[in-house]
Amino acid sequence: AQSVAQPEDQVNVAEGNPLTVKCTYSVSGNPYLFWYVQYPNRGLQFLLKYITGDNLVKGSYGFEAEFNKSQTSFHLKKPSALVSDSALYFCAVRVRGYSTLTFGKGTMLLVSP
Amino acid sequence: GAGVSQSPRYKVAKRGQDVALRCDPISGHVSLFWYQQALGQGPEFLTYFQNEAQLDKSGLPSDRFFAERPEGSVSTLKIQRTQQEDSAVYLCASSLDRGADTQYFGPGTRLTVL
Repeated sequence: AQSVAQPEDQVNVAEGNPLTVKCTYSVSGNPYLFWYVQYPNRGLQFLLKYITGDNLVKGSYGFEAEFNKSQTSFHLKKPSALVSDSALYFCAVRVRGYSTLTFGKGTMLLVSP
Repeated sequence: GAGVSQSPRYKVAKRGQDVALRCDPISGHVSLFWYQQALGQGPEFLTYFQNEAQLDKSGLPSDRFFAERPEGSVSTLKIQRTQQEDSAVYLCASSLDRGADTQYFGPGTRLTVL
């Protein structure tokens, strides 16, 4: 079985400060890891993914994430937060050879002006 | 269109009614997925198609849920005799293939069962 944990229900950060949204995972096998963002009344929007190779992955809108195999983590980061980054963020995992995405419960990011 | 589309966007049903939710995937995408997102939760897998073949339906919560993709493009998720616990957002996603490809999501259908 595979699972994803997002330990923070909400993250608050001031505009211009760096942000981190945490994600840890549990799988049997090699993981594919994803981050999605969800704005109100809209579907999930893909941000970035880790498949293999470089542990630091860069994605849309200045976001990046670092795959850490020993800590089974895939934290989402951005050097300088924008108010428009305020949204619900989901981490998800797949195992190679399987199609099903397993999502975390989501973390609400609130960026204050 | 350029993205995944779903209709209707909102559906209100009385308990016991049947509903049908439609998904139009991105053109050329082989794989299609349905997820259920309850309020305050992450999406949960329901079922998966590769072309017209339903390869995994392990996430369907009961035999009242049925999905089809007869021509390998548009898909319909049908819920029979709806119950209040079926109230959720139903998300459709598509991807080029089942490998490492990214799943792209539609806007969802919000189902409310009264």
